[in-house]
Amino acid sequence: GENVEQHPSTLSVQEGDSAVIKCTYSDSASNYFPWYKQELGKRPQLIIDIRSNVGEKKDQRIAVTLNKTAKHFSLHITETQPEDSAVYFCAGRYSSASKIIFGSGTRLSIRP
Amino acid sequence: DSGVTQTPKHLITATGQRVTLRCSPRSGDLSVYWYQQSLDQGLQFLIQYYNGEERAKGNILERFSAQQFPDLHSELNLSSLELGDSALYFCASSVIASDTQYFGPGTRLTVL
Repeated sequence: GENVEQHPSTLSVQEGDSAVIKCTYSDSASNYFPWYKQELGKRPQLIIDIRSNVGEKKDQRIAVTLNKTAKHFSLHITETQPEDSAVYFCAGRYSSASKIIFGSGTRLSIRP
Repeated sequence: DSGVTQTPKHLITATGQRVTLRCSPRSGDLSVYWYQQSLDQGLQFLIQYYNGEERAKGNILERFSAQQFPDLHSELNLSSLELGDSALYFCASSVIASDTQYFGPGTRLTVL
């Protein structure tokens, strides 16, 4: 069925180190994968997205990679800073249902 | 600011009552989505409208209903409220169905 699995559920990294969050999807026809960041009590905000015709996209310290064969995509944050602490959600657009399915979220904590 | 507005920001009510949450999408967006987020939980998709028509349904209770009006704003009606309905309710909008979603600031509902 329609599903996006996200790992890990919690992640703690030292400030300055990199953080990686992984998601897998089940529909091979999925073609759009956004990532959202949600700070405590605030709205989810789109931080980066990738479409199935590219394998990687970067925006400053944030990058997303997509492996269509393995049906997984990952968020990479380099040189982490305290303001990166938040919950991150991945999502995938399921062509069969024309809707976006969200992962369960990863709580990222940056240790000073 | 995503351009999506939600009112009210906070709502406190009693069990058994009925409330209406309102959402105005970004200018030009035809699709509206409703999500429920309980404390420390993920985004639970409730329902989607596209240009006034219901497009997709998620785990929406029978006590909940929604509609999208000709001016594209949407309302989520919650009735016979229970303690467990206390949550953040987010509205999101997109230009077309299943495109990038932009979230509103949310309505925090507290049922006492």
